[in-house]
Amino acid sequence: KQEVTQIPAALSVPEGENLVLNCSFTDSAIYNLQWFRQDPGKGLTSLLLIQSSQREQTSGRLNASLDKSSGRSTLYIAASQPGDSATYLCAVLHQTGANNLFFGTGTRLTVIP
Amino acid sequence: DAGVIQSPRHEVTEMGQEVTLRCKPISGHNSLFWYRQTMMRGLELLIYFNNNVPIDDSGMPEDRFSAKMPNASFSTLKIQPSEPRDSAVYFCASSYYSGYPNYGYTFGSGTRLTVV
Repeated sequence: KQEVTQIPAALSVPEGENLVLNCSFTDSAIYNLQWFRQDPGKGLTSLLLIQSSQREQTSGRLNASLDKSSGRSTLYIAASQPGDSATYLCAVLHQTGANNLFFGTGTRLTVIP
Repeated sequence: DAGVIQSPRHEVTEMGQEVTLRCKPISGHNSLFWYRQTMMRGLELLIYFNNNVPIDDSGMPEDRFSAKMPNASFSTLKIQPSEPRDSAVYFCASSYYSGYPNYGYTFGSGTRLTVV
């Protein structure tokens, strides 16, 4: 069964720092990997989607990379801001023949002003 | 596009009552998913539909839970009878599946259910 792990579980950084969130998955037979943001008490907002054939995707200050063979993805946030404080979840769409997304447990990010 | 729309946003009910959660997926999406999120277990897939047909309901915890998708623009998740341990946030998500699922999932804002 596909397992998705995110490290660290929580991260606190001062405003302005660049940071990296990590995601690893056990089975490389994936269609894509998606990074989500979840604010407290809110739903999931999709940040970036990387297809299995791609190496990275960028959106503004966010850059996500994918190394499918090693089962790893990183989310890089440049020049962090207090508004970036949220929980970040990665999820992989596994090639099970079923349309199912496997989620990591998330990294809770706090950016200190 | 209004995104995935869920109702109600919050529901407080007494144990034993029937609860119905509603979801309107994004127009044109043909896959719909119901997830449950708790602190202890994170996000769990309950059931998903492709072209209004339930494909996998193995995540539905008990017979008290049922889901329907009568048409492409509407789905319900029903809990009858409800129990305090059903308290959680329930998310609906939709995507477009074309045999090679290249597309991401879009989530609704969720329904926070509290059973007292």
